[in-house]
Amino acid sequence: DTAVSQTPKYLVTQMGNDKSIKCEQNLGHDTMYWYKQDSKKFLKIMFSYNNKELIINETVPNRFSPKSPDKAHLNLHINSLELGDSAVYFCASSWQAEGYTFGSGTRLTVV
Amino acid sequence: AQSVTQLGSHVSVSEGALVLLRCNYSSSVPPYLFWYVQYPNQGLQLLLKYTSAATLVKGINGFEAEFKKSETSFHLTKPSAHMSDAAEYFCAVSRKGGGKLIFGQGTELSVKP
Repeated sequence: DTAVSQTPKYLVTQMGNDKSIKCEQNLGHDTMYWYKQDSKKFLKIMFSYNNKELIINETVPNRFSPKSPDKAHLNLHINSLELGDSAVYFCASSWQAEGYTFGSGTRLTVV
Repeated sequence: AQSVTQLGSHVSVSEGALVLLRCNYSSSVPPYLFWYVQYPNQGLQLLLKYTSAATLVKGINGFEAEFKKSETSFHLTKPSAHMSDAAEYFCAVSRKGGGKLIFGQGTELSVKP
C-alpha cells in the first residue's frame, strides 16, 4: 500500500500543452509538497500546502498551479509547457518535521 | 535561513572500504537533518534523520551519521561499502516544527569491485 503515490510516472508532451500530475498520501500527514529535480539532480521545493492552505510558493512561474482538494491530495497543473519544464517532479508529505515521505516521481519530458 | 553543502559531487570507493559522505549545514535555528538515498530512476528513500535526540544516528543498510554542532556537520558513514550502495545521496535540513526540506546538491557514490 503506497504511502505517497503520484500519477503518471512518465509524461511526454509537446510544448504549449497543459498537463496535470496527481499526488495522494495515505499517511494522515498534514503537509504536502511539490519538489522539482532538474537534470543535475538538484532538488528544489516548489510549493507546500498545510491542511489545504498554500504556505510555500517558491518563485515558481504562474504557469504552475497547485491544487489541494483535501489534505490527502495535492495536484500540480502546468499550463503552456516549455522545454525547460522537463524534469522529475516529486510529491512529498510530512507531519511537522518528523519525517518527509516522497513519492516515486513523475518524469516530465517536453518535446 | 537554512542551507546545506555537500562536499564532493562524486565519491568513488572500493567494495569493502569505508564510505564517508560529507555534509555541512547552516541554520539560524536548531536544525533537523536528514540523509536520503536515490537509486537510478527511483524516488527518495530516507536513510536516517537527526531530530535533536542522540547525536549519533543509525539508519538503514548499515549507515550512520553524527551530528556535530561545533562543526555544523552531519557526515554519513558506512564501515564497508557494498556494490548495492551505488546511488545518489542527499543531505537535507529542516527546522523543528516543520517547514520545507532544503537539500544539498547531492553526492553520487560509485562502488568499484
